[in-house]
Amino acid sequence: ETGVTQSPTHLIKTRGQQVTLRCSSQSGHNTVSWYQQALGQGPQFIFQYYREEENGRGNFPPRFSGLQFPNYSSELNVNALELDDSALYLCASSAWTTRGDTQYFGPGTRLTVL
Amino acid sequence: AQKVTQAQTEISVVEKEDVTLDCVYETRDTTYYLFWYKQPPSGELVFLIRRNSFDEQNEISGRYSWNFQKSTSSFNFTITASQVVDSAVYFCALSRGAYNFNKFYFGSGTKLNVKP
Repeated sequence: ETGVTQSPTHLIKTRGQQVTLRCSSQSGHNTVSWYQQALGQGPQFIFQYYREEENGRGNFPPRFSGLQFPNYSSELNVNALELDDSALYLCASSAWTTRGDTQYFGPGTRLTVL
Repeated sequence: AQKVTQAQTEISVVEKEDVTLDCVYETRDTTYYLFWYKQPPSGELVFLIRRNSFDEQNEISGRYSWNFQKSTSSFNFTITASQVVDSAVYFCALSRGAYNFNKFYFGSGTKLNVKP
């Protein structure tokens, strides 16, 4: 058990819709990262939040956005869903006490876009 | 640019065999961190080990061992006397270790099938 939870577990949406995925980090972890994992591939970095501000983004368009809240929870929002957005979305939290901190992952939300 | 390569897409072994999962990384940084994660069918990535670039000592944890060699930019993972419960996808990852940014670069994973 990593102490990181995600909801919902599964989600089915249609193209063009919007979706919000939620994550609850370990208590005391002030950094959260979101990753997209397509079937058969490794996780790809979407963005990272530190103390409620985005401090880095991967190669994802602006329709992927996020929020981090003071209570160690966070959200990933995706607008104008496309078929290629179908994937497992993972959030990971870390303590940020030293460099290269271990990231602890939640179980993921599997998003299917039809 | 940072890159992690796991050339073995899928490996099948019979229980009790030893198996080594290869990981080769690319980075120009002098300070970086390497990780291995296990992903069972449930999907959650389970942390196995973290190693910084200044510590080349090999590590053993029960049936698991890791061989870090900076000269060949490799961080290989060996499971001794494999068990069916070891069946999963294993990912190697690299972090640049920047103070204010902790992005992980993952390899494409190696699926390990351990047959009884």
